[in-house]
Amino acid sequence: NAGVTQTPKFRVLKTGQSMTLLCAQDMNHEYMYWYRQDPGMGLRLIHYSVGEGTTAKGEVPDGYNVSRLKKQNFLLGLESAAPSQTSVYFCASSLGTSGRYLNTGELFFGEGSRLTVL
Amino acid sequence: QQQVKQSPQSLIVQKGGISIINCAYENTAFDYFPWYQQFPGKGPALLIAIRPDVSEKKEGRFTISFNKSAKQFSLHIMDSQPGDSATYFCAAENSGNTPLVFGKGTRLSVIA
Repeated sequence: NAGVTQTPKFRVLKTGQSMTLLCAQDMNHEYMYWYRQDPGMGLRLIHYSVGEGTTAKGEVPDGYNVSRLKKQNFLLGLESAAPSQTSVYFCASSLGTSGRYLNTGELFFGEGSRLTVL
Repeated sequence: QQQVKQSPQSLIVQKGGISIINCAYENTAFDYFPWYQQFPGKGPALLIAIRPDVSEKKEGRFTISFNKSAKQFSLHIMDSQPGDSATYFCAAENSGNTPLVFGKGTRLSVIA
C-alpha cells in the first residue's frame, strides 16, 4: 500500500548541476502535482498534470521542467540547479479536482524530497 | 499576490484549550476549502473540507466555520491535545479549473 513514493529523499547538488526527482503513485490517479515548501512560504505549486502526456505550469515554474510519460509517474527536473532551489519538494496526486464530490479533490502527498543546492 | 491569507503564523495552546486558525481569500470563484495537517518529516494530509453552501462542518474535535460574505473561513480544534501539534494549511480551489492554492501555514504547539 505505497500511495505516493518520492525518490530520492535527500540530495545535495552543486550550483549548475542537473537532477531529476521521481514521483510514483499506485492509486490510478489522473492528477499529479509538484509543490515546494519553504519556511514561511507554505506550499507553492511548481507544475501539475491532469493526465498522462499533459503538463501545466503552476505558481513557480521557472527553472523546472516536468514530464508525465506514464500515468503513474511524474518527473520533476532541474536543468541547472541554483541555491534558490534549495527546498523540500512534495509530490501529490488526486482523482481529480473537487468537482461534484469533495473527496475527488483530496490530495495524497508523498513524504518529501529535501534538496540542497550549494 | 497571495490568494489565500492565513493567520496566525504560529500558535501555542494549552492542552484542553481551543485552537483557532483563520484564512481569508479574494477570489469569489473558489468553491472548495480544505484544511491539511502536516506532521514533521511527513507530507500534508487532508483533515477536513467544506463547500461554501454550508456555514459549518464538524468532524470530531475539528470544525470549519465558513463566512461567505466576509470571504473568510477558520479551523477550530476543540479540546486541543499534544498530538494535534503540527502545521496546518488552509487551501482553496476553483473546482474544475485551477489546482489548490495553499495558505502559508500555521505551526500549532499544544502544551501540557
